[in-house]
Amino acid sequence: EVQVVESGGGLVQPGGSLRLSCTASGFTFSTYWMSWVRQAPGKGLEWVANIRQDGNEKHYVDSVEGRFTISRDNAKNSLYLQMNTLRAEDTAFYYCARAEDPAAAIGWFDPWGQGTLVTVSS
Amino acid sequence: DIQMTQSPSSLSASVGDRVTITCRASQAISSWLVWYQQKPEKAPKSLIFHASYLQSGVPSRFSGSGSGTDFTLTISSLQPEDFATYYCQQYYSYPITFGQGTRLEIK
Repeated sequence: EVQVVESGGGLVQPGGSLRLSCTASGFTFSTYWMSWVRQAPGKGLEWVANIRQDGNEKHYVDSVEGRFTISRDNAKNSLYLQMNTLRAEDTAFYYCARAEDPAAAIGWFDPWGQGTLVTVSS
Repeated sequence: DIQMTQSPSSLSASVGDRVTITCRASQAISSWLVWYQQKPEKAPKSLIFHASYLQSGVPSRFSGSGSGTDFTLTISSLQPEDFATYYCQQYYSYPITFGQGTRLEIK
């Protein structure tokens, strides 16, 4: 079964840091672009960042540029999101998502993980 | 950034109804659009990609159309399991952006 599973969410104070992880299985992880997408509770979806198969090209939404870093370890079939200088508005479920088309640098997502909740609050 | 605007934001309908949701892009995106369905506490699930192609396993009562800036998602005969929130997403350029969602509720 093709799936991705996130972990690492939790409660963190404003200005703090957190690292999310995503473990992939059921497909050749190293051949796909991977993304993080977030959803504030009760709100809509926001794409956060993506990373190329070899890790050498990354893109971010402006609101996290300079604070968040996406990375991957293909040997471990894992995707990461290092989140620094967290703000209350970063509170959300964070989904790991695979690009559906391995050949596409920008595309749509399938599958998605179940999400991990990050809460930024004092 | 390309803004994606869905209408309506919410919709009440009955089982068996035909429902149409629209998505408008702030600039032309060709057919680089996908529709997702999201149920409470669940991850989004893709329904239609490249504006009009049905994802494998998705019932044929779902269909999509449009290109350029205007797109529609149609459910030909609503089933109880279709009550959910629907999102469009453009994949024409960075940043990847989503519509604000359309909540489909039971009348």
